[in-house]
Amino acid sequence: QLVESGGGLVQPGGSLRLSCEASGSSFSSYWMRWVRQAPGKGLEGVANIKTDGSETYYVDSMKGRFTISRDNAKNSLYLQINSLRADDTAVYYCTTAIRGSPINFWGQGTLVIVSS
Amino acid sequence: DVVMTQSPLSLPVTLGQPASMSCRTSQSLAHSDGNTYLSWFQQRPGQSPRRLIYKVSNRDSGVPDRFSGSGSGTDFTLKISRVEAEDVGVYYCMQATHWPWTFGQGTKVEIK
Repeated sequence: QLVESGGGLVQPGGSLRLSCEASGSSFSSYWMRWVRQAPGKGLEGVANIKTDGSETYYVDSMKGRFTISRDNAKNSLYLQINSLRADDTAVYYCTTAIRGSPINFWGQGTLVIVSS
Repeated sequence: DVVMTQSPLSLPVTLGQPASMSCRTSQSLAHSDGNTYLSWFQQRPGQSPRRLIYKVSNRDSGVPDRFSGSGSGTDFTLKISRVEAEDVGVYYCMQATHWPWTFGQGTKVEIK
């Protein structure tokens, strides 16, 4: 239901835009979020976004360099990452973020490697 | 931020035997709306996370009934009644009561 893309090898200081395409007709009714996982490490939230994109919430450590956005007409979620650092190397997952709901979907993840 | 402390970090289990893991939080997860937003996720090797339990004790669709969640306030438990080989992986608790939503560090379940 959720398919991420846009990851790859990028040099430190570079930028990347990750995408997450949803199938089905309910995407616009879902809060969404990005979660990342560094190699061999645990899960870390990045940001959440409301159904219509009018509200966004960032983990403090992600403020400034990360921008979450969505285009409901395209059933798509995005994550813009600027000034990439080595510690941004991770698999980035998109997932639904409907608190307390039986709806919970995760994508397969997209790998971002920041290295020179 | 709410700190989620899972224990043990490693849990060797025998097939067919029960297993239990704990998640303790630095603040109560009881929300003013009456809900407690504590979830459990399973991540099998090489796979994306999959939610098993939401709001402490509600099993997600398709999750075997050998998985059960319990707890309240700051103390939560995930139990597997009889461990099967497919249960190997890392289990994470996550709270969504307070922003930012936070995960525990994970409990790795392996077969003895």
